[in-house]
Amino acid sequence: DAKTTQPPSMDCAEGRAANLPCNHSTISGNEYVYWYRQIHSQGPQYIIHGLKNNETNEMASLIITEDRKSSTLILPHATLRDTAVYYCIVRVYSGNTPLVFGKGTRLSVIA
Amino acid sequence: NAGVTQTPKFRILKIGQSMTLQCTQDMNHNYMYWYRQDPGMGLKLIYYSVGAGITDKGEVPNGYNVSRSTTEDFPLRLELAAPSQTSVYFCAGASGGLGASPLHFGNGTRLTVT
Repeated sequence: DAKTTQPPSMDCAEGRAANLPCNHSTISGNEYVYWYRQIHSQGPQYIIHGLKNNETNEMASLIITEDRKSSTLILPHATLRDTAVYYCIVRVYSGNTPLVFGKGTRLSVIA
Repeated sequence: NAGVTQTPKFRILKIGQSMTLQCTQDMNHNYMYWYRQDPGMGLKLIYYSVGAGITDKGEVPNGYNVSRSTTEDFPLRLELAAPSQTSVYFCAGASGGLGASPLHFGNGTRLTVT
């Protein structure tokens, strides 16, 4: 079973920030938080990952709470092309354990 | 680099037929994975491989087989197709432990079994 909880769907106005929450209250100390997204019918795409510090790259920012029990993915200026299903996944940093995908959040960016 | 390439893009099988879904990568990935995605659902892991000659079962391996004779190729075999195997199949690769390198996915094979 997936160890994360995400809302099934969210809407966001084009040009505004999209804030996607993820609850991972049972996360253990050596588990990272990963975010992927899947645009309609395509293979999932890696976005960002982090352990406890906030992270930023050219696609998004990841904010992890101090107790690490939840996190938020931020798309600072959402566009129509950001409409996708977003998956929040926790797993250990190394080793062979594959990623386990849940149902994710369907983000709809509205013009 | 082509990345992770899957063929065919679409296929219709009759019940009981067999087929091989091809996956090849030119990114020197050691780790490769097969996932399936049913309509409206998340991805489920079928099989994975951590290197040539090594394969292991995922969450839903029944009805499938894999081989990894080379680093580049990771074919998925369906021996006796069943309607329950109607799904979209994604192959993915990663260079190492996933913390260091993210998964790169192919564009999928859409399979219908009737």
